[in-house]
Amino acid sequence: DAGVIQSPRHEVTEMGQEVTLRCKPISGHDYLFWYRQTMMRGLELLIYFNNNVPIDDSGMPEDRFSAKMPNASFSTLKIQPSEPRDSAVYFCASRNAGKNTEAFFGQGTRLTVV
Amino acid sequence: AQSVTQPDIHITVSEGASLELRCNYSYGATPYLFWYVQSPGQGLQLLLKYFSGDTLVQGIKGFEAEFKRSQSSFNLRKPSVHWSDAAEYFCAVGAKGNTGKLIFGQGTTLQVKP
Repeated sequence: DAGVIQSPRHEVTEMGQEVTLRCKPISGHDYLFWYRQTMMRGLELLIYFNNNVPIDDSGMPEDRFSAKMPNASFSTLKIQPSEPRDSAVYFCASRNAGKNTEAFFGQGTRLTVV
Repeated sequence: AQSVTQPDIHITVSEGASLELRCNYSYGATPYLFWYVQSPGQGLQLLLKYFSGDTLVQGIKGFEAEFKRSQSSFNLRKPSVHWSDAAEYFCAVGAKGNTGKLIFGQGTTLQVKP
């Protein structure tokens, strides 16, 4: 398996623009997670899905952030409109529902909002 | 509330020296514990995990960690550090319910001197 695949790897956008980050989880995994990494706050969970259903979005910072998982092999994280403080590295991770299993992380998307 | 503390933000060791990275957690039950490593510009790779059983856990790349319930600790160790071990190391605790949702520490950056 190619692992968790995120695109793009880097994104530079202007303030006010819409940004869409994409994630393809590992095939067969039931859980999908979106994390954000910043210097100030470290790694924090934004939202996670189980079987394509959003379970906990309490980490989503504002209504400008939204996430979808239309099928088992694809998820998006959208920011509209983007702001400079959204600049961060966004990680997607997936995990299967078996006991004692860990989450596998993608390479991340480095977002810069100017 | 669940939390993870990594007391050392930055550690420098000489190549060949032993290493111990500290991790303390706050959790109301038996925790699921993880150590991940992040190389510059890369995603997070799992080094080792603890779910139950033997409190001394072996991982990849020669790392090990010991779960000590009485001290609420899960310190990472390596007997002899290699230059390629220079990276950022994250300790994490699995949130209640075994969803795979992780709470991360702030990370420890390891520098290796030749």
